[in-house]
Amino acid sequence: NAGVTQTPKFQVLKTGQSMTLQCAQDMNHNSMYWYRQDPGMGLRLIYYSASEGTTDKGEVPNGYNVSRLNKREFSLRLESAAPSQTSVYFCASSETHNQPQHFGDGTRLSIL
Amino acid sequence: KNQVEQSPQSLIILEGKNCTLQCNYTVSPFSNLRWYKQDTGRGPVSLTIMTFSENTKSNGRYTATLDADTKQSSLHITASQLSDSASYICVVSVTDSWGKLQFGAGTQVVVTP
Repeated sequence: NAGVTQTPKFQVLKTGQSMTLQCAQDMNHNSMYWYRQDPGMGLRLIYYSASEGTTDKGEVPNGYNVSRLNKREFSLRLESAAPSQTSVYFCASSETHNQPQHFGDGTRLSIL
Repeated sequence: KNQVEQSPQSLIILEGKNCTLQCNYTVSPFSNLRWYKQDTGRGPVSLTIMTFSENTKSNGRYTATLDADTKQSSLHITASQLSDSASYICVVSVTDSWGKLQFGAGTQVVVTP
């Protein structure tokens, strides 16, 4: 039982490049989330998907797009990467919004 | 200003000793409060989750307390082990339709032999 799997684990991009971060969960959870974690700050929600077929903006959505491909998969896309998007990105899932969230091990993204 | 403040930012404790971490929050309305453990290079893992009506919850050597009147929570680690070295994150759930979470910045705990 893998839980929440994120790929890639590490990535270096140049300013202006695009990329998609992948996330998949095998717990049959309804809700999925994308966060970023920056030094000295709490995790901040980028986008979430309360259920399959729906997505909504979180606290810091600018510069990102998401796709809930199916119940298992939720991807995060950076269309034109900027140095301010250098961060560790975490995907999480939960059965419902009031249940504990299960996190992946993150993607460490550096943008030069 | 972060609505969830944790203290201390970091602490070092000897193996076998106890320690207590603090969390003060201003989030309102409040649904539940969670504590997560995050090992270096890993994602956070849930330790406890308490609703406003609960004032204590344990998970092994971890005991969380909640005072909803003063908006304070604490996490007590008993008989610390080297594997307890991690960041401990306090998270408050806002009462609304989709359960927005406010994360604290975490307390970094280092357990030394």
